[in-house]
Amino acid sequence: GNSVTQMEGPVTLSEEAFLTINCTYTATGYPSLFWYVQYPGEGLQLLLKATKADDKGSNKGFEATYRKETTSFHLEKGSVQVSDSAVYFCALFISNFGNEKLTFGTGTRLTIIP
Amino acid sequence: DGGITQSPKYLFRKEGQNVTLSCEQNLNHDAMYWYRQDPGQGLRLIYYSQIVNDFQKGDIAEGYSVSREKKESFPLTVTSAQKNPTAFYLCASQNRQGRAFFGQGTRLTVV
Repeated sequence: GNSVTQMEGPVTLSEEAFLTINCTYTATGYPSLFWYVQYPGEGLQLLLKATKADDKGSNKGFEATYRKETTSFHLEKGSVQVSDSAVYFCALFISNFGNEKLTFGTGTRLTIIP
Repeated sequence: DGGITQSPKYLFRKEGQNVTLSCEQNLNHDAMYWYRQDPGQGLRLIYYSQIVNDFQKGDIAEGYSVSREKKESFPLTVTSAQKNPTAFYLCASQNRQGRAFFGQGTRLTVV
């Protein structure tokens, strides 16, 4: 079956540090890949996505590149801010007629210290 | 505005009671999901529905029930059989490209 493995947290960084959150996946077929962010007490919001190999998704200074050869979709940001403190979820989706279901990773909690 | 709405935001349940959490969407999405989230944990899938009048159990369906009589609505009932229902519940709908749209969640507490 399909699965997503995320870097375990929590991750604590100082403001302006470089961020990487690792995400690898297992899938039969060609998935679309997503990063979602969850702020305290809220639902998840889409952060960025990529639909095919070598696509780069980007938003709010975050980037992730769909690497088919390493089955990875690592999230990066060059200089984090306190406001980036949240939980980040990697997810995949494959269109498989009659059995289309999102698969989420376990989430990585990020805390940025001023 | 198009979106997905969960209600209520906070819900208190007495021991032995059934409670129903509401989830409504006006995005015209076929697929809808219910997740449970415990403090500091990830998402666990309770039920999902890919079309009206059809739904499938997720990983932790015991003690929960759902219905999908209308495309817009996917209510979740937490029954008395669920022994540890205190949690944050998230509803989502999904478009055909796989993007999920989440509600703001319902925090259920047993009193």
